[in-house]
Formats: sequence, C-alpha cells, structure tokens
Amino acid sequence: EDKVVQSPLSLVVHEGDTVTLNCSYEVTNFRSLLWYKQEKKAPTFLFMLTSSGIEKKSGRLSSILDKKELFSILNITATQTGDSAVYLCSPSGGSNYKLTFGKGTLLTVNP
Amino acid sequence: DVKVTQSSRYLVKRTGEKVFLECVQDMDHENMFWYRQDPGLGLRLIYFSYDVKMKEKGDIPEGYSVSREKKERFSLILESASTNQTSMYLCASSLVSYEQYFGPGTRLTVT
Repeated sequence: EDKVVQSPLSLVVHEGDTVTLNCSYEVTNFRSLLWYKQEKKAPTFLFMLTSSGIEKKSGRLSSILDKKELFSILNITATQTGDSAVYLCSPSGGSNYKLTFGKGTLLTVNP
Repeated sequence: DVKVTQSSRYLVKRTGEKVFLECVQDMDHENMFWYRQDPGLGLRLIYFSYDVKMKEKGDIPEGYSVSREKKERFSLILESASTNQTSMYLCASSLVSYEQYFGPGTRLTVT
C-alpha cells in the first residue's frame, strides 16, 4: 500500500520567516512527486519533481526530491500572509496516473 | 487555461436519496478523478477513469459508482446517500502527465 507522511501537520509562523515542509513516501514504481497548495477551494499545482537533487523554483518557493531516501521538501522563504494554506504532497506510481495524497501541512502565516 | 467545473458548490440531500455529482473539463483530458476530502483524512481517491467508458476503483469506492459516457464528463453517483458520505467532493482531470487540475469542489451534506 502506498504511503505518504507529511510533517509537520501544522505550522504557525510570522511574516518574513522561512519554512520547510517535509514529505516522505513509499510508492510502488515511483514516477514523480507533486506539490499542491490548497487555500479555501481546490488544490492548485505548484511543482512536479521527477529527478533527484534538482531543485525546482518558483519565486519564493522551491522544492527538491531525494529518490534514494524517499523524501521531498518544500521551502518557502520570506513568507507572506498569502502563503497561508494547506500544502499537499502527492507521489505517483504505476502506469495509471493515480496520485496518492498526504494529509497535508497547514501553514498559517501571521502578520 | 484548463477549466474543471462541478455541477454544484453546495448540496443537501436526505439519507437514502440517489445523488449525482457531475464534473466537466474542457481540455480534452483522458484522465478524470473523483476524490473526497475530510478533516484529518486528507484527499482520498474514490474512482478514476482513463478513457471513455473505462473506470477503476480508487481507495474508497464503497457506496459510490461512476459514469463516463463522454470524454469531457465524469459523474459520481451515490446510489443511496448516507450520513457518512457528508464530505467535500473534488473532481480532477489530467492529460498524460501526472499534473491534475481540480474543480472547485462540491460540499455535500446528507441529513
């Protein structure tokens, strides 16, 4: 059975802080790992990682994958209140494009 | 821009009723998915479809069925709604990559 564990489950920081969100996984025939941000509505796509050690960046957000140790991290620097959301990690495996989602990390950024 | 729409944002039904949740995507995606999201349990896959008239069970298919008669439309059916099916239901679609695009969600309450 595929497993995804995200930590911490929740986090409260002040604007300007840097945060690191963790995701460890066990997935049969791993193909890629995706990060999503979910505010009040539907999850929105952030990153897809397929190769170890290659950092993906988008503004203040960055993410990296370690396929040997089976984990990924999502970094957010200089956090803003608009970063407050649930961040979901989702590894995929097999051939049917099915994703397994972690329970998410609830990030709250206070002004 | 990919657009995934769901037929209702909020729905209230009585126990035992048959419930239809509809999802439509406008980007010619092969793959479509139905999830439910509950506090503390995260996103869980109910059913998915990788082609018209094709369907596969996800992690929690019991009490649900699906229909995909046209490529752009994927319906989730609760044959006899029960209170434990009160939840947020999210539909998603994807092309050949693993990046899934989500609809806005339907919050279903079964009384």
